[in-house]
Amino acid sequence: GQSLEQPSEVTAVEGAIVQINCTYQTSGFYGLSWYQQHDGGAPTFLSYNALDGLEETGRFSSFLSRSDSYGYLLLQELQMKDSASYFCAGEPYNAGNMLTFGGGTRLMVKP
Amino acid sequence: IAGITQAPTSQILAAGRRMTLRCTQDMRHNAMYWYRQDLGLGLRLIHYSNTAGTTGKGEVPDGYSVSRANTDDFPLTLASAVPSQTSVYFCASSVDFGTDTQYFGPGTRLTVL
Repeated sequence: GQSLEQPSEVTAVEGAIVQINCTYQTSGFYGLSWYQQHDGGAPTFLSYNALDGLEETGRFSSFLSRSDSYGYLLLQELQMKDSASYFCAGEPYNAGNMLTFGGGTRLMVKP
Repeated sequence: IAGITQAPTSQILAAGRRMTLRCTQDMRHNAMYWYRQDLGLGLRLIHYSNTAGTTGKGEVPDGYSVSRANTDDFPLTLASAVPSQTSVYFCASSVDFGTDTQYFGPGTRLTVL
């Protein structure tokens, strides 16, 4: 089956840079999305990589390399409000365009 | 504009009972989805709808059914609830099915005893 793997938890300090990795076990997919979810809240869209390379949106950047079956979300100038869970999601070629989510990475930002 | 609303916010249900979770969007999106979220397992797709009148099965459809009579509403029904269906349920929508950004509702926390 299709699976996207992420670290379960990452801790960083305020002002630092953190990278959340996402590796996948599939023959390929259309793109990679990232979603943020605060405790008790709903997932919200952060970014989408349709092509290999880096996409930048303010303090957040996302990267995709299909040849390496790998992507990451980079958060810069960390703020306390960035403490949340982050999910990568892909659309495998053989899954009818349905999103498959990774298990999520819980980011804790400390002062 | 409310976006996506879900009801109820939370519910405790006895095993064997029937339950319908409601989802309504006002963005005129074609595609809608139901996910369940369990600790450590991320979001798993239960059912989806490409457009009004059509539905499809996701990764974990057993024990659930959906209908899409119109664009706005996408109810999820548990015909006979079991404790393994205890979860947080999220409804989502996107302009079109596939690669479009998905917008999520606030979720329904369901406990089956």
